[in-house]
Amino acid sequence: NAGVTQTPKFQVLKTGQSMTLQCAQDMNHNSMYWYRQDPGMGLRLIYYSASEGTTDKGEVPNGYNVSRLNKREFSLRLESAAPSQTSVYFCASGTDLRSGELFFGEGSRLTVL
Amino acid sequence: AQRVTQPEKLLSVFKGAPVELKCNYSYSGSPELFWYVQYSRQRLQLLLRHISRESIKGFTADLNKGETSFHLKKPFAQEEDSAMYYCALMNTGFQKLVFGTGTRLLVSP
Repeated sequence: NAGVTQTPKFQVLKTGQSMTLQCAQDMNHNSMYWYRQDPGMGLRLIYYSASEGTTDKGEVPNGYNVSRLNKREFSLRLESAAPSQTSVYFCASGTDLRSGELFFGEGSRLTVL
Repeated sequence: AQRVTQPEKLLSVFKGAPVELKCNYSYSGSPELFWYVQYSRQRLQLLLRHISRESIKGFTADLNKGETSFHLKKPFAQEEDSAMYYCALMNTGFQKLVFGTGTRLLVSP
């Protein structure tokens, strides 16, 4: 089993460009999450999805949109990238929202010039 | 609002020395606390949770509600313990995991 798979692993964008980060999990988990990791700020929750068909804002949702395409997939879209969105993005999944054990992807390093 | 504080960005120790990574939290309810670890070129993964009261890789953490702390300890550090460590709190009201800013542990030979 692959666990949580994210693509792409690296991406460089110009300001104003759009892109989508893809995430898929094969553990039949209900909840899925997108975090960003910045030096000195730790992991901050962008959006999460309790189950297929539902999404909710986290701590830093501005500038992002998400789609829970099905139970397996949860994508993160940047409509108009800004340099402040330069970060490492992590997708994670858990059995449900009450689970504190999350399974993380390898991360996607995004640079916005 | 819930908050997790890890006061040290970097903790550097020698092999065999004791290690304590500090974590303090603020939360009005009954917290569930966790330690996550990210080794070099590996995924972030759960190390231990306070409910299970277990020892993983020689690490233990005790929840001290009076001091609102959940420090991670190991009596004798090993080089392979070098990693980034994150303390996290489960906000049972909103059912989301809130992470601290992380502490990088460097164990030198």
